[in-house]
Amino acid sequence: EVQLVESGGDFVQPGRSLRLSCAASGFTFDDYAMHWVRQAPGKGLEWVSGVRWDSVTIGYADSVKGRFTISRDNAKNSLFLQMNSLRIDDTALYYCAKDIGYGDPHYGLDVWGQGTTVTVSS
Amino acid sequence: QSALTQPASVSGSPGQSITISCTGTSSDIGSRYNYVSWYQQHPGKAPKLIIYGVSSRPSGVSNRFSGSKSGNAASLIISGLQAEDEAEYYCSSYSGRNTGIFGTGTKVTVL
Repeated sequence: EVQLVESGGDFVQPGRSLRLSCAASGFTFDDYAMHWVRQAPGKGLEWVSGVRWDSVTIGYADSVKGRFTISRDNAKNSLFLQMNSLRIDDTALYYCAKDIGYGDPHYGLDVWGQGTTVTVSS
Repeated sequence: QSALTQPASVSGSPGQSITISCTGTSSDIGSRYNYVSWYQQHPGKAPKLIIYGVSSRPSGVSNRFSGSKSGNAASLIISGLQAEDEAEYYCSSYSGRNTGIFGTGTKVTVL
């Protein structure tokens, strides 16, 4: 079964850091780009970051650029999101998602985890 | 990076067809990349991919869902509307410089 399981969400104060993880199974992880998408409470989806299968190309939304770092460990079938200088408006459910494109990203996300909740508050 | 623009809500009766629009710019939907996708999200659930590459359907997705693109805008058509189609729908596109972007979301109500 193709599966993504996120972890690492927590309640943190503004300015602190958090590292999210996503464990993948059921598919050849290093064949596909991976993405992080977030959804603030009661709000829409926001693309956060994406990384190509070989980590050669990486992209970030302007809202997180310079604060968040995406990475992957293909040997461990894992995706990560290092979040620094967290702000109140980073509060959201963070989803890990697999790109449908083989090799290069096609920005169609065909497998999603159930998400991990990040709450930033003083 | 402003979100793609979608109507807040669309409604229709069972069996009818509805169209959801998604308006972007020449940097995203209107670019040379045909990387437009559509997602369905039921309350409390993760999004589900229903259209990718403008008009392709993933395996298992009903052929009642179809997608198209013209210029800087994309459209999702749901034909033969069913009660189970009531959900939030989001468009998405590649937005250049290795970034993606989602639409504002459309609430579909089946009357």
